[in-house]
Amino acid sequence: SQELEQSPQSLIVQEGKNLTINCTSSKTLYGLYWYKQKYGEGLIFLMMLQKGGEEKSHEKITAKLDEKKQQSSLHITASQPSHAGIYLCGADLNAGNMLTFGGGTRLMVKP
Amino acid sequence: EPEVTQTPSHQVTQMGQEVILRCVPISNHLYFYWYRQILGQKVEFLVSFYNNEISEKSEIFDDQFSVERPDGSNFTLKIRSTKLEDSAMYFCATARGLNTGELFFGEGSRLTVL
Repeated sequence: SQELEQSPQSLIVQEGKNLTINCTSSKTLYGLYWYKQKYGEGLIFLMMLQKGGEEKSHEKITAKLDEKKQQSSLHITASQPSHAGIYLCGADLNAGNMLTFGGGTRLMVKP
Repeated sequence: EPEVTQTPSHQVTQMGQEVILRCVPISNHLYFYWYRQILGQKVEFLVSFYNNEISEKSEIFDDQFSVERPDGSNFTLKIRSTKLEDSAMYFCATARGLNTGELFFGEGSRLTVL
């Protein structure tokens, strides 16, 4: 089974709508990173969560970590076309920044 | 804003040729990493480097691969004899420390092996 599962794999939403992306680990998390990637480009750091119950926000993006469930969610409020891209979660499963990545969620926002 | 820079952005090479990919880390960062992403697949960890030596490497990082930081600035990934399956985007990532909360990636170097 996959160590890190992301869902959904793809998402199309109307501009202004809220959305949630989930990331579930089969192993204990030492840290959970969220990145955004545009096709063929680098990974843009969004935020990193370490402690159970931790929640961080950046502009209209909020991420939460449920340590017991080994799960994180990324929530975008009032989505905009600029939010479109591939969202990747990366789990630090060994406390060494050697991230295991999920398969990504491809987000399209229709104007 | 400080950033990780990688060169070249794109390299096309013949199978069997040697390739060197270069990364300039953020200046106060001490931990360096290479990841790769084959087109349409997940980002995969290759190797981590700290204090001038490899700390961890994945099973992908076989004898064809090597890393070094020869001049204290550039962090390089060398592929000795490229294979078709080495075609991928290679990302350098750097961090100030372990579990400091941020791991920054470069824009990537796209390697195409013909």
